[in-house]
Amino acid sequence: ILNVEQSPQSLHVQEGDSTNFTCSFPSSNFYALHWYRWETAKSPEALFVMTLNGDEKKKGRISATLNTKEGYSYLYIKGSQPEDSATYLCASFLAGSARQLTFGSGTQLTVLP
Amino acid sequence: SQTIHQWPATLVQPVGSPLSLECTVEGTSNPNLYWYRQAAGRGLQLLFYSVGIGQISSEVPQNLSASRPQDRQFILSSKKLLLSDSGFYLCAWSERQGLGSPLHFGNGTRLTVT
Repeated sequence: ILNVEQSPQSLHVQEGDSTNFTCSFPSSNFYALHWYRWETAKSPEALFVMTLNGDEKKKGRISATLNTKEGYSYLYIKGSQPEDSATYLCASFLAGSARQLTFGSGTQLTVLP
Repeated sequence: SQTIHQWPATLVQPVGSPLSLECTVEGTSNPNLYWYRQAAGRGLQLLFYSVGIGQISSEVPQNLSASRPQDRQFILSSKKLLLSDSGFYLCAWSERQGLGSPLHFGNGTRLTVT
């Protein structure tokens, strides 16, 4: 993989459901993987920055895992709430560009009450 | 605590007019500074980043330019706007020390070129 890719592009879930989405990134010359939450009318907010293979981070009902060897990260939301509705962005550094944090197109999550 | 201010929030400019967007950061020293743009239906694209006063790196060839006249001030400019410059512009900062530092974003500027 040569770029940062996210799937699915959008997702609708019912309140209380658990969900997850994927970020794929180049596994060569890996530096760090970032997750951000971008709510409507607000600015993106950092959720996690992960640097080590096998890393697992958690913030409340949200957690993330990292596999740098195969180049993917999962973001999990347990018991989704309407306030979790947002676009979730991941970003990584492409090979040869240690300062250029490249973002995926995001997963737009809508949690229905 | 650190804060980032970006203005204006919205801007409507005719094609061929100049542009100046300003971003300032408070509560930190020697930050890395960034300008990102989100075009309609696309992800965030890095336009410029800066690791110090007067040090600007451009990631995408375009008719935009950036300047960093002071440690915590970052300005995005254009001499003549194009229709394709329309989009949502975000300023961000991060700590200097490493790639593990998260970005902290401003509230953004919605630019419409008519």
